[in-house]
Amino acid sequence: GAVVSQHPSWVICKSGTSVKIECRSLDFQATTMFWYRQFPKQSLMLMATSNEGSKATYEQGVEKDKFLINHASLTLSTLTVTSAHPEDSSFYICSASSGVGNEKLFFGSGTQLSVL
Amino acid sequence: AQTVTQSQPEMSVQEAETVTLSCTYDTSESDYYLFWYKQPPSRQMILVIRQEAYKQQNATENRFSVNFQKAAKSFSLKISDSQLGDAAMYFCAYRTRGGADGLTFGKGTHLIIQP
Repeated sequence: GAVVSQHPSWVICKSGTSVKIECRSLDFQATTMFWYRQFPKQSLMLMATSNEGSKATYEQGVEKDKFLINHASLTLSTLTVTSAHPEDSSFYICSASSGVGNEKLFFGSGTQLSVL
Repeated sequence: AQTVTQSQPEMSVQEAETVTLSCTYDTSESDYYLFWYKQPPSRQMILVIRQEAYKQQNATENRFSVNFQKAAKSFSLKISDSQLGDAAMYFCAYRTRGGADGLTFGKGTHLIIQP
């Protein structure tokens, strides 16, 4: 099956710094990628949808200036958490769609962000 | 907006027994997909089963099957012959057809397998 690689798996940073998370589709071209956030013992919440070569679409309540998304190629999308604060600590997961009508979805392995 | 409701925060079943996880959803769309995902402690999302709304036949994957009731907007997951490796969080999810939208997840059900 298709593989989505997400790096890093975990990151610890100081408050006020920025962190970049990468999501790569290794063996297919992903026109659309999705970013989710999962707090401990909670469900996944869609943060934003990114399409290659265009601006990301953010869900209501997600700060676009805080969570910068870039989808510069058909195999790479990045999420940058800018000026991170402890409340941004969470598990971030990407997924990429493929196939006719983008029917198939493949998930990355997630990134645990801890902001001190 | 679509919503997905899982009313069972936790379920427990004896190994080798059968368990059913409930899911209801709300949508005004007529064509969409429904999914069950498994999230073990590694937190990797694993697709268990997928149902296309226009198909009346319930999807099955080995020991996993669904009961899809479109009119009632119900989508339950039945796990037969439960195994210790089935222990995980299970999320029901909805997606509109067309591929432009991401998944809307329920809150999840924590499944415990008693040996």
